[in-house]
Amino acid sequence: QIQLVQSGPELKKPGESLKISCKASGYTFTDYAMQWVKQAPGKGLQYMGWINTQTGKPTYADDFKERFVFSLETSASTAYLQINNLKNEDTATYFCTAPFDYWGQGVMVTVSS
Amino acid sequence: DIQMTQSPSLLSASVGDRVTINCKASQNINKYLNWYQQKLGEAPKLLIYNTNNLQTGIPSRFSGSGSGTDYTLTISSLQPEDFGTYFCFQHNSWPLTFGSGTKLEIK
Repeated sequence: QIQLVQSGPELKKPGESLKISCKASGYTFTDYAMQWVKQAPGKGLQYMGWINTQTGKPTYADDFKERFVFSLETSASTAYLQINNLKNEDTATYFCTAPFDYWGQGVMVTVSS
Repeated sequence: DIQMTQSPSLLSASVGDRVTINCKASQNINKYLNWYQQKLGEAPKLLIYNTNNLQTGIPSRFSGSGSGTDYTLTISSLQPEDFGTYFCFQHNSWPLTFGSGTKLEIK
């Protein structure tokens, strides 16, 4: 069955960077684009953008054009979300989803000094 | 950007009730509208895709309808396990956008 398994929770300080992974199984990785969604504590869902798993081309929603990087390791059926220069407002759970049917379990990221 | 206005934001209903949740888009989204249920600490679960298509494994008490800018999720007979927050999501136009959510409480 299709599964997306994400890496574990992160606790970081402002200014640091992190990289979250999302490992896909149960389907051909390049069949579906990988999407990323942010959910701040107690808030709704915010669409971050997507990466074309065939070409590796990322597309970012406006709020995520700076500091956020989508990437792939196709041989490992894994997508990554990197966040640079972390800010307090990056504190959230980050989900990967493909192609909006299947979701990872989410990664809770806490940014605090 | 397409704004998705979801209503109500909070809904309290009894087991057996018929429940409707609405989503209004700021422009035509051509039925590219999904509905998700999310429980605390979990990932969203797809219920309905493209307005009225029931995702595999989802009970038939869930249904969707709509066109143009107005869409509705209906639960025909509310069950205790249906509590949670429901989100609509348009995937017609970039940037893709979610509704703000409807928290469904069971009385």
